Amino acid sequence: DAMVIQNPRYQVTQFGKPVTLSCSQTLNHNVMYWYQQKSSQAPKLLFHYYDKDFNNEADTPDNFQSRRPNTSFCFLDIRSPGLGDAAMYLCATSSSLGNQPQHFGDGTRLSIL
Amino acid sequence: SQQGEEDPQALSIQEGENATMNCSYKTSINNLQWYRQNSGRGLVHLILIRSNEREKHSGRLRVTLDTSKKSSSLLITASRAADTASYFCATDYYNFNKFYFGSGTKLNVKP
Repeated sequence: DAMVIQNPRYQVTQFGKPVTLSCSQTLNHNVMYWYQQKSSQAPKLLFHYYDKDFNNEADTPDNFQSRRPNTSFCFLDIRSPGLGDAAMYLCATSSSLGNQPQHFGDGTRLSIL
Repeated sequence: SQQGEEDPQALSIQEGENATMNCSYKTSINNLQWYRQNSGRGLVHLILIRSNEREKHSGRLRVTLDTSKKSSSLLITASRAADTASYFCATDYYNFNKFYFGSGTKLNVKP
């Protein structure tokens, strides 16, 4: 089945130690999104790629970066994680911007020690 | 904030009852979507309703959209324990081509 896969499901890192979360898709969708979701809150859009075009949200901290080496893969890099970055990170895809459903992976839950 | 706001924040009902969740938003939209999230999982798309549509059905789900009131509602009929989840509305803002999620309604269906 076509899907969005996030690895790992759980990630523990140390305060200040860089961490990379990965997302892959078999849907061949043009758009890939990264969201941050804290407990009992709405998913918050961090950034998205339309093909190779990167679009950052204005309030996304510089500590968060992303790479999309090809259509299928997208990475979220957190350069110096702080305690406030502990959250669920969700990757989603859609075939185009705007009026299409988003398909989500099951997320990576990030803990900071 | 550009996010939609949902109410109630939490809803607890018995199996077989109907559940209604509401979403209000702030500015003009192209379309509005509803998603479900089971605990510890990703979001699952339920229904997309465009700004020129007033009502849409999918199985036991009914979504209405009132653009004059900037609000939408999701009705789940004959609820089941498996419907227990958080439900989010997501709105795109015309010309922004991005989605912003509401605060969500946590639904608990008791068997």
